[in-house]
Amino acid sequence: DAKTTQPPSMDCAEGRAANLPCNHSTISGNEYVYWYRQIHSQGPQYIIHGLKNNETNEMASLIITEDRKSSTLILPHATLRDTAVYYCIVCPVEGAQKLVFGQGTRLTINP
Amino acid sequence: EPEVTQTPSHQVTQMGQEVILRCVPISNHLYFYWYRQILGQKVEFLVSFYNNEISEKSEIFDDQFSVERPDGSNFTLKIRSTKLEDSAMYFCASSGWTGLSEQYFGPGTRLTVT
Repeated sequence: DAKTTQPPSMDCAEGRAANLPCNHSTISGNEYVYWYRQIHSQGPQYIIHGLKNNETNEMASLIITEDRKSSTLILPHATLRDTAVYYCIVCPVEGAQKLVFGQGTRLTINP
Repeated sequence: EPEVTQTPSHQVTQMGQEVILRCVPISNHLYFYWYRQILGQKVEFLVSFYNNEISEKSEIFDDQFSVERPDGSNFTLKIRSTKLEDSAMYFCASSGWTGLSEQYFGPGTRLTVT
């Protein structure tokens, strides 16, 4: 079972920042936080990952709380193409990863 | 930009028939995966493959399933005797130098068992 909790759905206005929360209170020290998204029925797409420091790339920013029990994915200027299901996944550092997908958050960007 | 490709995009088969789903992972990747997604449900892990052997498999991946990397480029999933409940979207993924690397997913093969 997924070890994360996310709201089932969120809405955001186009051009605004979308902030997607995730709780992972049972995360262990050797687990990273990964974010993927799935647009319609396409294959999941990697967004970003982090261990304990905040991370930023060209797609998004990831803010992880100091106790690592929760995180927030930030899409700084959401566009209609960002409408998707967003998955927060915790994954151990070692070995081949087995991504355990939960239900995710269905993010709808409104014009 | 390199990408994972999958063929066919849609496969229709009759119950009891064998199917082979094909994937071409990103060329310098070392870790390979299959996932499936039944319509309207979660994406589920099936199997991971590294160094020419299975690293981990889920309960779904029973002896009706097998994976193979027959050459340096292809990665296949075989279902020996398909059941109606095997109808799903099957995604192949690959990741790079370490298990820590992000996974890149293909567009999927929609398998319909009739």
